[in-house]
Amino acid sequence: DTAVSQTPKYLVTQMGNDKSIKCEQNLGHDTMYWYKQDSKKFLKIMFSYNNKELIINETVPNRFSPKSPDKAHLNLHINSLELGDSAVYFCASSQGQDSTDTQYFGPGTRLTVL
Amino acid sequence: AQSVAQPEDQVNVAEGNPLTVKCTYSVSGNPYLFWYVQYPNRGLQFLLKYITGDNLVKGSYGFEAEFNKSQTSFHLKKPSALVSDSALYFCAVRDVDSSYKLIFGSGTRLLVRP
Repeated sequence: DTAVSQTPKYLVTQMGNDKSIKCEQNLGHDTMYWYKQDSKKFLKIMFSYNNKELIINETVPNRFSPKSPDKAHLNLHINSLELGDSAVYFCASSQGQDSTDTQYFGPGTRLTVL
Repeated sequence: AQSVAQPEDQVNVAEGNPLTVKCTYSVSGNPYLFWYVQYPNRGLQFLLKYITGDNLVKGSYGFEAEFNKSQTSFHLKKPSALVSDSALYFCAVRDVDSSYKLIFGSGTRLLVRP
């Protein structure tokens, strides 16, 4: 069974559209994350939720809105997509927020904005 | 602020030879260090982490990493490289000043030639 899963795997859309990426973890973890990997493979955190509460919100345009309906799910909704949003988005989870906790990553969603 | 540096964009090694992927860090307190591997079109997979204790940390797939406090380094090593080890490797440090988010290095591409 996949521990951290994301859907869809690929997403191709036009500028200006609104899209969502879903993430689910079956590890029983309390904390979930969204990361963005750009074309140069640089990874940067976007958001983190712990038990459905937002704990990290990096400098991300407010067109990006995470939603956590329960602690096993963290979805990412993006409004008014722009060319620069093209990237691979990774979801991750960890047992908690402790500094020693390992983060486990999903397979990624490759978003292409045309 | 915490940071990690991976000074090599690419490391080339022949199969069967030992490999080293370099990582240096800068932290304001105790370092919590991680290595991840990303295979093509895949998510990140956790390899190993250093929290405390022995300076030599053993991880998945025969990899190990040596923590060196005086040199502020956490180099990834493997005694005998396999072609299947070819991938992108990321070093990361936990940012204990900012909600314990993971800060990733720029990544090092490892190419193992037959």
